[in-house]
Amino acid sequence: AQSVAQPEDQVNVAEGNPLTVKCTYSVSGNPYLFWYVQYPNRGLQFLLKYITGDNLVKGSYGFEAEFNKSQTSFHLKKPSALVSDSALYFCAVRDSYNQGGKLIFGQGTELSVKP
Amino acid sequence: GAGVSQSPRYKVAKRGQDVALRCDPISGHVSLFWYQQALGQGPEFLTYFQNEAQLDKSGLPSDRFFAERPEGSVSTLKIQRTQQEDSAVYLCASSLVPSGPTEAFFGQGTRLTVV
Repeated sequence: AQSVAQPEDQVNVAEGNPLTVKCTYSVSGNPYLFWYVQYPNRGLQFLLKYITGDNLVKGSYGFEAEFNKSQTSFHLKKPSALVSDSALYFCAVRDSYNQGGKLIFGQGTELSVKP
Repeated sequence: GAGVSQSPRYKVAKRGQDVALRCDPISGHVSLFWYQQALGQGPEFLTYFQNEAQLDKSGLPSDRFFAERPEGSVSTLKIQRTQQEDSAVYLCASSLVPSGPTEAFFGQGTRLTVV
């Protein structure tokens, strides 16, 4: 069965510091991995995805994520956090054999960036 | 419009009432998904359409939930005899093609409160 774990309910970071939001996954086939961000009363916005190839994926708003197959992880990172990055972040996985594209989401991590 | 549009944004229903939630996907998108997001949780898959065909309804929690997409564009999620446990945000998403690692684009959601 496919699953995603985001072990931290909340991550607190000072503005200008690097941030990491953790994600581990379980999938039977090859994974397609995604990060989405959700601002209050807004829908999910796509940040980045991993399909294959380079393990470091760059996305929107300066975010990047590192795919680690041996650790089955896909952690979201940013070198310098902004207060405006404060939001709810979701990691999601899809089995590449799954036709249609159904996503399995983690529980979400609340990122709080303080000035 | 440019994005996925959902209506209404908010719905309050009395227990036992039937509700209908509408989704207008991005024009030309073949795939359409419905997800349910309970408070403090990640989105959970409900059902998937490829054009007008409902190919996966494995996530629908009971036979009170019904979805349709009769002309392969607009979709409606109907909940009959609503219960308090149906209170959640219902998210609609669409993607361009059904196969491959294409990302899904989400609407702002409909917040359903059953009282």
